[in-house]
Amino acid sequence: SQQGEEDPQALSIQEGENATMNCSYKTSINNLQWYRQNSGRGLVHLILIRSNEREKHSGRLRVTLDTSKKSSSLLITASRAADTASYFCATVPVIGTSGSRLTFGEGTQLTVNP
Amino acid sequence: DTEVTQTPKHLVMGMTNKKSLKCEQHMGHRAMYWYKQKAKKPPELMFVYSYEKLSINESVPSRFSPECPNSSLLNLHLHALQPEDSALYLCATRGSSYNEQFFGPGTRLTVL
Repeated sequence: SQQGEEDPQALSIQEGENATMNCSYKTSINNLQWYRQNSGRGLVHLILIRSNEREKHSGRLRVTLDTSKKSSSLLITASRAADTASYFCATVPVIGTSGSRLTFGEGTQLTVNP
Repeated sequence: DTEVTQTPKHLVMGMTNKKSLKCEQHMGHRAMYWYKQKAKKPPELMFVYSYEKLSINESVPSRFSPECPNSSLLNLHLHALQPEDSALYLCATRGSSYNEQFFGPGTRLTVL
């Protein structure tokens, strides 16, 4: 079952603008990851943030994590048309064999208009 | 370029057919996954292999039969599928103990 929720479900912006997507989850986590999926293709791992981290950057990506609120956000700065894709957050639980699983959020469809 | 490959890219089969999906990785990872993804939905976990042994089966119907012949290969054998099994089937490998995963491009399956 999916425990994550993402908002918005869909986001449409102009090239050059920033895009922010949010993810909420329900159980304690070891880490949270963000993935991108272009239409009909496989997922691409973007960035991972551990539960003891609050913010992480990678190029134009900025991820924050608030474990007290069980939420994360992904910011894409200076967006490009090539950023058009679905974005999923995924959590890894703290303990047990469930550590083999990723629990995905429902995803945000980002459209960047040229 | 992806280091996880999947064949075929597209597959159309009838409900009485037997077919197989193939996944190959050259990343040296020891955990491999099968996911099913419907349109506009997140991937749903089906099976996990760890060190070539099945470690997780998410109560998948027996018409789906996974196989891991060696550490580089993962197969999904399909038999007597239903139209509702039409979906994108994704293979993935696990990179580290943090469980970041590397996905193949998927096989688009259509069951008639």
